[in-house]
Amino acid sequence: AQSVAQPEDQVNVAEGNPLTVKCTYSVSGNPYLFWYVQYPNRGLQFLLKYITGDNLVKGSYGFEAEFNKSQTSFHLKKPSALVSDSALYFCAVSFHKLSFGAGTTVTVRA
Amino acid sequence: DADVTQTPRNRITKTGKRIMLECSQTKGHDRMYWYRQDPGLGLRLIYYSFDVKDINKGEISDGYSVSRQAQAKFSLSLESAIPNQTALYFCATSVEYLGELFFGEGSRLTVL
Repeated sequence: AQSVAQPEDQVNVAEGNPLTVKCTYSVSGNPYLFWYVQYPNRGLQFLLKYITGDNLVKGSYGFEAEFNKSQTSFHLKKPSALVSDSALYFCAVSFHKLSFGAGTTVTVRA
Repeated sequence: DADVTQTPRNRITKTGKRIMLECSQTKGHDRMYWYRQDPGLGLRLIYYSFDVKDINKGEISDGYSVSRQAQAKFSLSLESAIPNQTALYFCATSVEYLGELFFGEGSRLTVL
């Protein structure tokens, strides 16, 4: 069975500090992996994706994600968080179907 | 203007009423989707369509129906709304199956 987990419901960081949002997945093959962000009262926006190749993927708004096949993880990272990064973040895994994680609420305090 | 437009953005209705949520897109994508978002559950797929003549059930299609009126239009209907269908509904499009999704702004539905 295919599944994706975001182990943290909430992540709180101070502005300027590194931000990490965790994602692990379970599929039997080689999936596509995605991160989306949802700002209040808005639809989801694509941040980045991993298909193949370099394990470090760079995306929009200074975000990047590291694919780790042995740990079946795809953690989202930003070296220096901004207050405007406060939002709901979703990891998604795409193999035979597209599955979304439950989401992680990120709060960046000034 | 938004590439993927949903109407209405907010709707309050009563149990047993029929409700339709509409989605139109200007991206020219063949693939369109309806998702439901509930807190703590992420997004779950209701229906998807790869072209006007192709409609497929998703994970949670019971109680819902869809119509693909044109390449650019994909409507979701609740024939007889019930309170546990209270949720935020999203329409999305994509170029390829299992590829990047482009979402509308969402339709918040409350069933009393």
